[in-house]
Amino acid sequence: DTAVSQTPKYLVTQMGNDKSIKCEQNLGHDTMYWYKQDSKKFLKIMFSYNNKELIINETVPNRFSPKSPDKAHLNLHINSLELGDSAVYFCASSGTSGSIETQYFGPGTRLLVL
Amino acid sequence: AQSVTQPDIHITVSEGASLELRCNYSYGATPYLFWYVQSPGQGLQLLLKYFSGDTLVQGIKGFEAEFKRSQSSFNLRKPSVHWSDAAEYFCAVGLTGTASKLTFGTGTRLQVTL
Repeated sequence: DTAVSQTPKYLVTQMGNDKSIKCEQNLGHDTMYWYKQDSKKFLKIMFSYNNKELIINETVPNRFSPKSPDKAHLNLHINSLELGDSAVYFCASSGTSGSIETQYFGPGTRLLVL
Repeated sequence: AQSVTQPDIHITVSEGASLELRCNYSYGATPYLFWYVQSPGQGLQLLLKYFSGDTLVQGIKGFEAEFKRSQSSFNLRKPSVHWSDAAEYFCAVGLTGTASKLTFGTGTRLQVTL
């Protein structure tokens, strides 16, 4: 009965590869997010989608492309992976956009680029 | 732009002792404030939130926080810490508008000694 789930939990890959991380929420929320947590534990928002529409894009390299096939899913595709992309990526969801609702986080995907 | 400061990077307390984690924010309007906890290798779990009303808010696991507008603070407290409280604690401020997003502090790592 996981509210926000992510796959995979761990991802180890070589520089230059392309990889995807998937996120699903069963909370009926309209808004989903991707956050990046770096090695110093700093959390920063990357993207936000509301009803499959991109509403936040925070100065992220265009190698990162989110895709939302429906409002319960938000995937993150990363092209040409670089060493600096190593981090923990968290998906989150909340009830509505334009107002502050509590964000519920997934367990994270630990990406290591070698 | 809004910002959040957690002055203490690392705090060590003895089990059974009281705890206070500091959080200061910078935001022009009425803030929406959150405390999240991250256990090692886990995602973020919401401890409590302040949107409006009573400035002393109760959360899960015996935590509480007090919003003090005059000090721009939202400190987290617990009267008696348990060993299982050892984790990373994040304060966050929510931004409303065309899109909602959270800005996180850098986190405080809590170590509990037996």
